Amino acid sequence: TQLLEQSPQFLSIQEGENLTVYCNSSSVFSSLQWYRQEPGEGPVLLVTVVTGGEVKKLKRLTFQFGDARKDSSLHITAAQPGDTGLYLCAGVLGGSEKLVFGKGTKLTVNP
Amino acid sequence: DTEVTQTPKHLVMGMTNKKSLKCEQHMGHRAMYWYKQKAKKPPELMFVYSYEKLSINESVPSRFSPECPNSSLLNLHLHALQPEDSALYLCASSHPGKRDNQPQHFGDGTRLSIL
Repeated sequence: TQLLEQSPQFLSIQEGENLTVYCNSSSVFSSLQWYRQEPGEGPVLLVTVVTGGEVKKLKRLTFQFGDARKDSSLHITAAQPGDTGLYLCAGVLGGSEKLVFGKGTKLTVNP
Repeated sequence: DTEVTQTPKHLVMGMTNKKSLKCEQHMGHRAMYWYKQKAKKPPELMFVYSYEKLSINESVPSRFSPECPNSSLLNLHLHALQPEDSALYLCASSHPGKRDNQPQHFGDGTRLSIL
């Protein structure tokens, strides 16, 4: 059973398009992180969301944590080829030291 | 540049070799983690150290032996590995406990190939 369902698994778009990646669960998370990973490198932290309903912006990236803290989304505006990579959502269940990962979204932005 | 440093970056070893992977961080984090990541998959947790003590072992085979000599260093000793153990091994660190807004920071990993 996958605790964090991430979709879509693959996404190939043209430069300038917008996109949204979703992470959904039936479990409540005390926090949720979004990472981006490029080939041959480790995951790089983009953002942590902690409060239900929280919205955080990082340049063209907008992250939202659901009111019930069971889901999150990442929206990219006017995607660029430099946004290409594997996007991972990962959540912390209350009282746990473990990070639960989604399966990842492989994003390709074509010039 | 990552603040979690892993060495070596690449490692090729035979099934009878003994080698070690090293991880170092100087962020004052007291929780450190080993993950295994196969191609196109998310990282899978192997071990968690909290305040230099092993707190989680995710039923990892004994051919993987972790060690935390001090609060900045984490090692993974490898012996008699199998070809299916070939993967990217990632180290991460964070503040331990229930400080939920303290995320894990990852190194760039060691790409391990077993011949």
